[in-house]
Amino acid sequence: GQNIDQPTEMTATEGAIVQINCTYQTSGFNGLFWYQQHAGEAPTFLSYNVLDGLEEKGRFSSFLSRSKGYSYLLLKELQMKDSASYLCALMDSNYQLIWGAGTKLIIKP
Amino acid sequence: SQTIHQWPATLVQPVGSPLSLECTVEGTSNPNLYWYRQAAGRGLQLLFYSVGIGQISSEVPQNLSASRPQDRQFILSSKKLLLSDSGFYLCAWTRAAQHTGELFFGEGSRLTVL
Repeated sequence: GQNIDQPTEMTATEGAIVQINCTYQTSGFNGLFWYQQHAGEAPTFLSYNVLDGLEEKGRFSSFLSRSKGYSYLLLKELQMKDSASYLCALMDSNYQLIWGAGTKLIIKP
Repeated sequence: SQTIHQWPATLVQPVGSPLSLECTVEGTSNPNLYWYRQAAGRGLQLLFYSVGIGQISSEVPQNLSASRPQDRQFILSSKKLLLSDSGFYLCAWTRAAQHTGELFFGEGSRLTVL
């Protein structure tokens, strides 16, 4: 079966850098995804990694190591609007997304 | 451009009452459509997905059902709600045969069953 683990909650300071980790176990793998979800709203797509390495998109970067079953989302120059939940999801061998419970990120001034 | 809408945004229903949530997509054809439920502190749970009109796959056996009467319309229903049906329901779509995982979500419907 599949399993995804990510921290429940993290706190960081405005202007700083934060790394949100995600570990997974799966028998089939077709990619690892990160979504952002503000409270009371729908998730929005942030990134997609299918090969090992770092993908950078402005202030956000996502890293994948398939051999370690590990990914992280790196947020730089944190802004108050980055306060949200960050959802890790893996695509299984049937191309269905399996979701983690999400990491609530709290940004303090 | 493509848009997705779902309604109602919030509803409070008594136990045993029926449910109907509706979702429509505009600006694309033959999308893959999904219904998810999000309970507090838990990951998104896939309830149903559809790759075409009248084609529904159920991921979790329960008292909910889904229908796709038109290409861009997806409906989530229940004949009798349970307390455990409370949650945040999300409709989503992807382009057919796309496997990059980019789901586009509707605004969400928050259901409280009392």
